[in-house]
Amino acid sequence: NAGVTQTPKFQVLKTGQSMTLQCAQDMNHNSMYWYRQDPGMGLRLIYYSASEGTTDKGEVPNGYNVSRLNKREFSLRLESAAPSQTSVYFCASSEVGGTNEKLFFGSGTQLSVL
Amino acid sequence: AQSVTQLGSHVSVSEGALVLLRCNYSSSVPPYLFWYVQYPNQGLQLLLKYTSAATLVKGINGFEAEFKKSETSFHLTKPSAHMSDAAEYFCAVSFGNNRLAFGKGNQVVVIP
Repeated sequence: NAGVTQTPKFQVLKTGQSMTLQCAQDMNHNSMYWYRQDPGMGLRLIYYSASEGTTDKGEVPNGYNVSRLNKREFSLRLESAAPSQTSVYFCASSEVGGTNEKLFFGSGTQLSVL
Repeated sequence: AQSVTQLGSHVSVSEGALVLLRCNYSSSVPPYLFWYVQYPNQGLQLLLKYTSAATLVKGINGFEAEFKKSETSFHLTKPSAHMSDAAEYFCAVSFGNNRLAFGKGNQVVVIP
């Protein structure tokens, strides 16, 4: 009963370093999302993938890239980390991607960029 | 511009008292509406959603929300707060295009 699994749970980077956040879902969902959560800002959409093989920019895509590796996995990459990317990152999935659908969230990755 | 507004980042409520969290949206067309809850160190979980079948929506853990088109609101309530309700609550609105817009959240503190 895993649902949406994110790794790692915590990460500390130095400015300029790169890293990839991993996300996998076992619910056979078509759509997957990456959000960032900052205090007092709510959640903001970084990128999403409506279906395998497609990705689209969200509200705050600058500084990030994504890969929908297959139907299960959707990774988020920071090529050159900046302190402004210090945040909690959440991956989510939904069955079809319709506007009235429930999102299932992972437990998050807390990232600090020094 | 389409937006979601939640006022008051922190909300304190006494155990047993009414919980009221306000959510307003701006849109010319009624959107799809959701409330999510986030417990400490966890991801968000769906509390309830508005499906247009009824204006009063019942969710998990005794929460409910009422959609008022004239006020463009979807306020969340629970008649009697419990200690386990301490969490952060987010209103979310779908304006289409596979995107949810989240409010800034309300951190609920329950006072014994």
